[in-house]
Amino acid sequence: QVQLVQSGAEVKKPGASVKVSCKVSGYTLTELSMHWVRQAPGKGLEWMGGFDPEDGETIYAQKFQGRVTMTEDTSTDTAYMELSSLRSEDTAVYYCATRDYGDFSPFDYWGQGTLVTVSS
Amino acid sequence: SYVLTQPPSVSVAPGKTARITCGGNNIGSKSVHWYQQKPGQAPVLVIYYDSDRPSGIPERFSGSNSGNTATLTISRVEAGDEADYYCQVWDSSSDRGVFGTGTKVTVL
Repeated sequence: QVQLVQSGAEVKKPGASVKVSCKVSGYTLTELSMHWVRQAPGKGLEWMGGFDPEDGETIYAQKFQGRVTMTEDTSTDTAYMELSSLRSEDTAVYYCATRDYGDFSPFDYWGQGTLVTVSS
Repeated sequence: SYVLTQPPSVSVAPGKTARITCGGNNIGSKSVHWYQQKPGQAPVLVIYYDSDRPSGIPERFSGSNSGNTATLTISRVEAGDEADYYCQVWDSSSDRGVFGTGTKVTVL
């Protein structure tokens, strides 16, 4: 059973960066494809990016290209998502979610979510 | 980019059947996954690969996918099924994930 535990809530000023962590237990990071999904208040789910096992690279949604960086520390089985140049529209709950290496596989495990508030 | 369209809301009486649609261009050629999200909680996978159920998900949840529409069906609806539901696919042309717009299910 995979468990994903995320870091705590953050409050940031516009223009700043935020880095959210996601600690994996039950499996190792190398056995999973880690992704990040966000949800603005009262809005739907939005895929931000994640590890594509087919070509071994991290891919990002066009909307976040250039502003987001997703990294992994396999020594601690912890994944990170850093979003820069924050604006008020980035206020959201950020989730990490994993999928297995199967073709077009679903997100079967989710973290508890991290609320990031961007406010001056 | 690929777009998935869901009705904003569906209302159903307890014990009846709720059907939630997810429309997309030739979605029948893709694998569709469905998630349930209750207020303040992370999403939970309820149907994957169009019609498979993860362990622990009641048989009352079922899925189908054909043509331009995928459907999540909840039979014998219970008060505990009240939640937001999202469909999701992988856009094979871009290798990117896509979520539907979401449907709020209200149990009357």
